[in-house]
Amino acid sequence: AQTVTQSQPEMSVQEAETVTLSCTYDTSESDYYLFWYKQPPSRQMILVIRQEAYKQQNATENRFSVNFQKAAKSFSLKISDSQLGDAAMYFCAYRSARGANAGKSTFGDGTTLTVKP
Amino acid sequence: SAVISQKPSRDICQRGTSLTIQCQVDSQVTMMFWYRQQPGQSLTLIATANQGSEATYESGFVIDKFPISRPNLTFSTLTVSNMSPEDSSIYLCSVQTPGPDRQPQHFGDGTRLSIL
Repeated sequence: AQTVTQSQPEMSVQEAETVTLSCTYDTSESDYYLFWYKQPPSRQMILVIRQEAYKQQNATENRFSVNFQKAAKSFSLKISDSQLGDAAMYFCAYRSARGANAGKSTFGDGTTLTVKP
Repeated sequence: SAVISQKPSRDICQRGTSLTIQCQVDSQVTMMFWYRQQPGQSLTLIATANQGSEATYESGFVIDKFPISRPNLTFSTLTVSNMSPEDSSIYLCSVQTPGPDRQPQHFGDGTRLSIL
């Protein structure tokens, strides 16, 4: 079974600064997808960024980027120029691409990000 | 993307009763899932709702407690049966739309359930 670990229950960052949220995962599969979701207090799950395991290039979406290290099974999220609206719980998620678990996502325990003005 | 309507958004229920949560999607989707998110915790997959057949449950979840229906490609229900305070959680419907596998799951806004 796949597992996803987020070792930082809470993080804080000063507005306009940069913060990195860590995520590691364990799998024996070679083909999979990784995602970061954001869940503000409104509890809606919002996709932040995605990464295909077969791609070596790190994904980037505006102020959000990832550092994907496949061999190390690491998938960290970097938020640049942090804004007050970035405050939320962030979940790292793994999804199998093949086999019996295809389509199912496994989530980490989440990191609560606080942005200080 | 898909627009997901989940009802009710919240409810307070008495111990021993049952509640059915509805999930309606504005387009046909390939996969529908039900998750539970206990207070301050992560999402745990309850089951995959299969169109026209019995749902596929994850370890620790059973059909008698969480019966699921999916009569078509845009609608599913989750029933939380014989509720106890331990069932107090947010229940989330999630879907995957047709297309490349790399597409993310989309989530409803969740149902916040409190059992007295």
